Amino acid sequence: GESVGLHLPTLSVQEGDNSIINCAYSNSASDYFIWYKQESGKGPQFIIDIRSNMDKRQGQRVTVLLNKTVKHLSLQIAATQPGDSAVYFCAESRSNFGNEKLTFGTGTRLTIIP
Amino acid sequence: DSGVTQTPKHLITATGQRVTLRCSPRSGDLSVYWYQQSLDQGLQFLIQYYNGEERAKGNILERFSAQQFPDLHSELNLSSLELGDSALYFCASSAGDRGWTGANVLTFGAGSRLTVL
Repeated sequence: GESVGLHLPTLSVQEGDNSIINCAYSNSASDYFIWYKQESGKGPQFIIDIRSNMDKRQGQRVTVLLNKTVKHLSLQIAATQPGDSAVYFCAESRSNFGNEKLTFGTGTRLTIIP
Repeated sequence: DSGVTQTPKHLITATGQRVTLRCSPRSGDLSVYWYQQSLDQGLQFLIQYYNGEERAKGNILERFSAQQFPDLHSELNLSSLELGDSALYFCASSAGDRGWTGANVLTFGAGSRLTVL
C-alpha cells in the first residue's frame, strides 16, 4: 500500500556536524512534501516544504532534496546544534481537491552529541 | 505558541468511558485535522473538516466521531474507550486552500494526552 517511510529510526550526530535524514515514499502521485520537527512533549513544527516541480529548496540551515526518480526525500541540517535534537517526520500529500491531508512517515529521532 | 489551541492537555479516564477533546484553529484557518500519535509512533490521520463539513476520513474508529462548529472550533469525541486508545491526539489547522503554491502547511497544536486505565 501507500507509505511514507524512513530508512533509519535513530541518528546521532556530533554538535557542529551536518546531518542528513532520509525519507522514502511510494506514491508517485505525491506532489507536495514537508518536513516537521517534533520536540519532546510538543506538537510537530513546520521546518520546510517542497513541491514536486522542484529538486531542492533551502531554508535557514536546512535543505530539502527531492529525487522523484527514486521517490526519495532528504533533510539536511547544517552545523547542528543541541536544539536540533528531536524527532523529524516527513509527510506527503497530493493535489486532489478535498484531499489536503498530510500522510506522515514514522519519524527519525535525531540526537545531537555535545 | 502555534495559534492552535487544544484542551485538555492531559486526560486520564477509565475503559468504557467517553471523552471530548477540543480544538480551536489558528485565526483565519478553515480546515481542521485530527491526528493520533501512539507511543513512539508516527502521526495517524483521523479526519479533516473544512468550514464545517467533513472533507476527508482516515483510519478513524467507529467509536470516534468529530465535528466542526460554525465558529470553526472542532471537537473529537472518543467513546467506549479502550486501553489501546491511550495516545496523543493532535489537532492541526490550515487555510484549507492550497492556492497557486500547492502548499498546505498544517499548523499543529500542542496535543491532548489521553491515558485510559
